[in-house]
Amino acid sequence: DIVMTQSPDSLAVSLGERATINCKSSQSVLYSSNKKNYLTWYQQKPGQPPKLLIYWASTRESGVPDRFSGSGSGTDFTLTISSLQAEDVAVYYCQQYYDTPYTFGQGTKLEIK
Amino acid sequence: QVHLQESGPGLVKPSQTLSLTCTVSSGSIDNSNYYWNWIRQRPGKGLEWIGFIESSGNTNYNTSLMSRVTISVEKSENQFSLKLTSVTVADTAVYYCARDTIASGVGSFDCWGQGTLVTVSS
Repeated sequence: DIVMTQSPDSLAVSLGERATINCKSSQSVLYSSNKKNYLTWYQQKPGQPPKLLIYWASTRESGVPDRFSGSGSGTDFTLTISSLQAEDVAVYYCQQYYDTPYTFGQGTKLEIK
Repeated sequence: QVHLQESGPGLVKPSQTLSLTCTVSSGSIDNSNYYWNWIRQRPGKGLEWIGFIESSGNTNYNTSLMSRVTISVEKSENQFSLKLTSVTVADTAVYYCARDTIASGVGSFDCWGQGTLVTVSS
């Protein structure tokens, strides 16, 4: 199985500041034939299901604010929130869909400083 | 906007079978552009993919659960179901049904049910 490891486990950022969450996969999730990274990011608020933010590592889902961006390739990926808003407090997960079983990172809890 | 809703018992005894159904509304389950998944989240833990079923009936299960899992589809009811046999307390979790879309890559989940808590206890 592909192991996904996020860092940090928790993060406190001031409103309006940048938040950065990292995700590392135990093997590359870059599919050579189409040059796409099979990596998604989700946001989960308490009592709610996860919400898809980013797929193909850097493509924002429709309706997701442009302060959310994804980057990286191969085994190392980053989710950046350019200017933290109060409603961004949540747990964020990365997930690979390069191969089954699909696997998730352990989550990063984002709070307001 | 498609809507997914899980249903089933909230309490299951150890060694018994967990059975859940996901009802899909405002969209047809019989669409080859989508795969239909079950995902669970154990208390205080992360997310674990259980498996998916295609509208054709083809399935793919997490190897860690494969010996105990069956996912089936009932197109006439626009539903798909999960059965997990021989449950233990370790199977206590919130169970989500979710859709993934070929357009964004099979395995990225763009639509989720609200989730249902299943507790395994005698």
